[in-house]
Amino acid sequence: EIVLTQSPATLSLSPGERATLSCRASQSVSSYLAWYQQKPGQAPRLLIYDVSNRANGIPARFSGSGSGTDFTLTISSLEPEDFATYYCQQRNNWSSWTFGQGTKVEIK
Amino acid sequence: EVQLVESGGGFVQPGGSLRLSCAASGFTFSGYEFNWVRQAPGKGLEWISNINHRNTGTTIYYADSVKGRFTISRDNAKNSLYLQMNSLRADDTSVYYCARGNWGRMDYWGQGTLVTVSS
Repeated sequence: EIVLTQSPATLSLSPGERATLSCRASQSVSSYLAWYQQKPGQAPRLLIYDVSNRANGIPARFSGSGSGTDFTLTISSLEPEDFATYYCQQRNNWSSWTFGQGTKVEIK
Repeated sequence: EVQLVESGGGFVQPGGSLRLSCAASGFTFSGYEFNWVRQAPGKGLEWISNINHRNTGTTIYYADSVKGRFTISRDNAKNSLYLQMNSLRADDTSVYYCARGNWGRMDYWGQGTLVTVSS
């Protein structure tokens, strides 16, 4: 089973700063790597799919990159509404889905 | 507009059963696979089950944590997804989300329904 490890657990930044979130897989994964944003009391929202494609309505300040075992979500300039928890997710051999443990982006 | 609306959550004693439903609208339900994902209080997301429906038949997958206790099903005529949960334990306490699967991603999610297992 592939394990996704996200780092850091918490990222303390100010509005306008750049956020770089990491997701590392225990073995090489396919291109089916996605990122989600979740705010307290809300359902997760798809941000990025297939490593680097933005979902419908997602602002251009969100970008994804990576390959193999190392993936990154970058928020180029944090807006107040971007402070939330972010999860990476991959689909393994079509039979299971795995989430990372999450990175909380908090206001410094 | 794509909508997924879960229902059926509530309070149940250990060993009890509960059936969750997810009503879909705004798209062709039969053309997609679906997932149940849960989130324990203050914890991360855990995928628990997937159901597909292709011309070759229906395929179903479960996480080890629920295999043998939970059963996923769908009714394409009613645009609905279900999760029958038996032998519930305290560690099944979570918000349960249904989510539409689209290749490697879950592109739409319901608002979630809370299941509390406690004596």
